[in-house]
Amino acid sequence: GNSVTQMEGPVTLSEEAFLTINCTYTATGYPSLFWYVQYPGEGLQLLLKATKADDKGSNKGFEATYRKETTSFHLEKGSVQVSDSAVYFCALSDRGGATNKLIFGTGTLLAVQP
Amino acid sequence: DGGITQSPKYLFRKEGQNVTLSCEQNLNHDAMYWYRQDPGQGLRLIYYSQIVNDFQKGDIAEGYSVSREKKESFPLTVTSAQKNPTAFYLCASSMARLNTEAFFGQGTRLTVV
Repeated sequence: GNSVTQMEGPVTLSEEAFLTINCTYTATGYPSLFWYVQYPGEGLQLLLKATKADDKGSNKGFEATYRKETTSFHLEKGSVQVSDSAVYFCALSDRGGATNKLIFGTGTLLAVQP
Repeated sequence: DGGITQSPKYLFRKEGQNVTLSCEQNLNHDAMYWYRQDPGQGLRLIYYSQIVNDFQKGDIAEGYSVSREKKESFPLTVTSAQKNPTAFYLCASSMARLNTEAFFGQGTRLTVV
């Protein structure tokens, strides 16, 4: 079945460091890919998405490129801030019939230190 | 403001009791979902609904029940048959067409005491 694998955390960085969180997927067909962010005690917020191969999603300085050849959707940011500390989830849309269910990775905790 | 409202934010249940978690959306979305979040396990799908009066089991439906009598509402009941109900529960909604993102509520933390 479809699945998402994320790098395990926690990832601890100093402010202004470069961030990469790896995400790879297994899927039949051509799923859409998403990154969500979760701050402590809250729900998930969509960070960015890509719907087809070679698409680049971007938002708030974060970027991810849909790489079909490597089945990857790695999240990057050039200079992290303390306020970026959160859990990041990679997800894909599971097109089972006409539904739009999301399958999530296990999440990666990012801690940014001043 | 449009969004998804879950209530209550915290809920305590005694063993053997059923409890119902509320989820309401005013985004005019057809599809709604319930996920369970446990530490280190990501989110797992409990139930989902694409249209009023219809819903399907997700990956971990045992011990849970839902209803979808109105487009705006998708309550989740955690029954006494759920052996390990302590978790963070997230409700989401989306448009029914493919490739669209889901929008999440703020979650309900359920604790069995």
